[in-house]
Amino acid sequence: KAGVTQTPRYLIKTRGQQVTLSCSPISGHRSVSWYQQTPGQGLQFLFEYFSETQRNKGNFPGRFSGRQFSNSRSEMNVSTLELGDSALYLCASSDRDRSGANEQFFGPGTRLTVL
Amino acid sequence: AQSVTQLDSHVSVSEGTPVLLRCNYSSSYSPSLFWYVQHPNKGLQLLLKYTSAATLVKGINGFEAEFKKSETSFHLTKPSAHMSDAAEYFCVVSDNFGNEKLTFGTGTRLTIIP
Repeated sequence: KAGVTQTPRYLIKTRGQQVTLSCSPISGHRSVSWYQQTPGQGLQFLFEYFSETQRNKGNFPGRFSGRQFSNSRSEMNVSTLELGDSALYLCASSDRDRSGANEQFFGPGTRLTVL
Repeated sequence: AQSVTQLDSHVSVSEGTPVLLRCNYSSSYSPSLFWYVQHPNKGLQLLLKYTSAATLVKGINGFEAEFKKSETSFHLTKPSAHMSDAAEYFCVVSDNFGNEKLTFGTGTRLTIIP
């Protein structure tokens, strides 16, 4: 099976712009989660989508949003970019079930730089 | 609320010597615990996970971890370090309510001395 893929791998934007990142989960996985990784804050949970519905959300401002399509692919959008949004954005997919925590498979990430 | 504390931000060991990476957790519920590894410029890879079965968990590449409820610890060990083990290691906690949210520790950078 192909792993989790994220596009683009690298992105440079300027303050005030918006950006859309894409994630394709492992085939058959219906849960997609997004994380932000920065040197100062570490790895922080953004949100999770399952069957096109947002199931959980972290403590990020409303400028961060996401969606999931019927084929489980997910996008996240950041509007009105700030310098502090520079980070590695990681996507993870899992074969979600209700019996407990599942292994999440991570993509290589998208490195966003805001100038 | 759940959290994990990785007690060492940086650990250096000589090749062939044991590795110990320490992690303490806090959770209101019976948690699931994980160790992930991140090599430079690569994504996160699961090393092992604890989900209330055996308290001693064996993972990939010779790593193992022991869940100790009385000490709220989940330390990662390996008997003999290899150069390829050099990476960042994250201790992670998740609740068990069908919630995919992972809470990460701050990470421990493992350096292997030749």
